[in-house]
Order: sequence, then C-alpha cells, then structure tokens
Amino acid sequence: SQQGEEDPQALSIQEGENATMNCSYKTSINNLQWYRQNSGRGLVHLILIRSNEREKHSGRLRVTLDTSKKSSSLLITASRAADTASYFCAAYVISNFGNEKLTFGTGTRLTIIP
Amino acid sequence: GAVVSQHPSRVICKSGTSVKIECRSLDFQATTMFWYRQFPKQSLMLMATSNEGSKATYEQGVEKDKFLINHASLTLSTLTVTSAHPEDSSFYICSASTGNYGYTFGSGTRLTVV
Repeated sequence: SQQGEEDPQALSIQEGENATMNCSYKTSINNLQWYRQNSGRGLVHLILIRSNEREKHSGRLRVTLDTSKKSSSLLITASRAADTASYFCAAYVISNFGNEKLTFGTGTRLTIIP
Repeated sequence: GAVVSQHPSRVICKSGTSVKIECRSLDFQATTMFWYRQFPKQSLMLMATSNEGSKATYEQGVEKDKFLINHASLTLSTLTVTSAHPEDSSFYICSASTGNYGYTFGSGTRLTVV
C-alpha cells in the first residue's frame, strides 16, 4: 500500500514564486527522500533527510521533517520553468524481515508558469 | 555518479506474449534492485525487491508467476512480464541501491500491450 500522501496533488505557480509541497507518512521511518520526475522519465534524487534531522537545505530546496506528525515538506524557492515536474516523497523503511524498502507518496504535479 | 541503464525504453507487444525488461548498474555493483510500476499520473508502486543470487521478494498482490524477476549478477536484474495483457500496460521503473540509503533509478520502460 502507499506509504505517503502528498498535497497538493497539483500546483501551478508563477515563475519566481516559491512552491511548497507536503507529505504525510504512516509508519516509522529511517529517513525520508524527495524525488523529481519529468513526464515519462525516471526519477532523480533531490534530497534525503534523516529521522533525527528537522531541516535540510540544498540549493533552492529546503526540506523539513516532523516525525511527531509524520510529515515532511519540500520548499522550492525562486521557481523556474525548468522546475516543472512531478515531485514525490519516499519513505525509507526496514521491514520486519530486515529488507530495505523505499515506498512513495502520491506525488505533486508542479507547473511553473513562465 | 551511479548510473542505472534500463532497456528498452518503449515496447509494444501483442497480448499473450512475454516481454523482458533489463536493468543494469553501469559503474557499481547492485546487490539489491527494485522494480516499480507506475500508471499514468499516479505514484510508483513497489512490485518486488530483487536480490542477487536469491529469489525476489514480491509485494502483496503482485503475481510472482506473471512478473518473473531474475538477478543473476551484481549488475543485471531482469523483469519478464509473461503472457502480457492490455491491463499490464504501464510504465515500469527499476532502481538500484547504491548504499548509504541512496538509490539510482533507471529511465523507465513504457510497455503497451495490444
């Protein structure tokens, strides 16, 4: 079953504005990762935040994690047309059998309007 | 960086035939690979975890006799969709664990069963 729910499902903003996407997950995690997917392509890893971290930055990306609320957010500042893509959070968990697993949220389709 | 090559990128096959998709780690050894399925405008659903030299671990609801996974070497995992039907049409993506919680994804395979 899906690990996470993301909102909004779709987001359209003007170029230059900031975009915020939220992710909620259900179980305990080791870390949470954010990925980007351009239409019909594979996924590109953006950023990883560990369960003991609360905030992380990478360039124009800022990720927060609240393990008490089982939620995370991805902020893209000063958006560009090239940021148009789908963004997914993914929870890294270890199963009861010791297997690692990366399960994805429902995704946010971001459209940047030039 | 770690690169995963997935082939073919697109395939059209007739109903009832089988299709093989390859996933290769090009510059690293991948003891664990993952196979996902993605329907249009939806998220990635983990189908199975492929372990080199052992049987794959399938997610609940995924038919192991229909989706055959072979991980015979540290750089190659294959997914064979047997007796394909139109409902199997989807986007299939593989990924490989690069260690330290990192994952690299293939560019995906668009399967269309006619």
